[in-house]
Amino acid sequence: ETGVTQSPTHLIKTRGQQVTLRCSSQSGHNTVSWYQQALGQGPQFIFQYYREEENGRGNFPPRFSGLQFPNYSSELNVNALELDDSALYLCASSLARDRGRSYGYTFGSGTRLTVV
Amino acid sequence: AQSVAQPEDQVNVAEGNPLTVKCTYSVSGNPYLFWYVQYPNRGLQFLLKYITGDNLVKGSYGFEAEFNKSQTSFHLKKPSALVSDSALYFCAVRTIYNFNKFYFGSGTKLNVKP
Repeated sequence: ETGVTQSPTHLIKTRGQQVTLRCSSQSGHNTVSWYQQALGQGPQFIFQYYREEENGRGNFPPRFSGLQFPNYSSELNVNALELDDSALYLCASSLARDRGRSYGYTFGSGTRLTVV
Repeated sequence: AQSVAQPEDQVNVAEGNPLTVKCTYSVSGNPYLFWYVQYPNRGLQFLLKYITGDNLVKGSYGFEAEFNKSQTSFHLKKPSALVSDSALYFCAVRTIYNFNKFYFGSGTKLNVKP
């Protein structure tokens, strides 16, 4: 059974650029969530995708967007990067059963994004 | 609004001594409570959870936590700390109203000294 893998592990971008982070879900999982963990803080929910559609969003601006593919892998895209976007971005996959409720979350090791 | 508080940024304990990492929560409705551990440059690893039932929950690596509804707390405990337990610990909550969303505390750094 494979876990959640994220790529790249580290990334440096310039303010104003765009970035794409990738996540491969654990085998058998059909839902993916993304979290932002700024330095010294707990992870903050960005959004969740189920059946290739966003089914929950946290308090993040529209320049944070995502995609989920038929194989349940996912991308997080951030446009017009700001210095405050520097953080560890965590992906978590899970299995949604009744009414889209997810169970058994597995977190990846994250992508460390630095915006300069 | 749902929230989780971890009042201690850091907890220091000697190896072999008992440890406690504190967590309190504020939610609408019944809480689903979790503890995760994060080692440097690693993701979050699940330790234990409380959904319903016995207030004392046993988890991985000898950790346990006690759900106290009246004090809205879910403190993490271990009878005898190991140096390898040194890491960052996060308490998190989910609710029936936001079932798929974790609300995390700010984390507590546990230092276990030999």
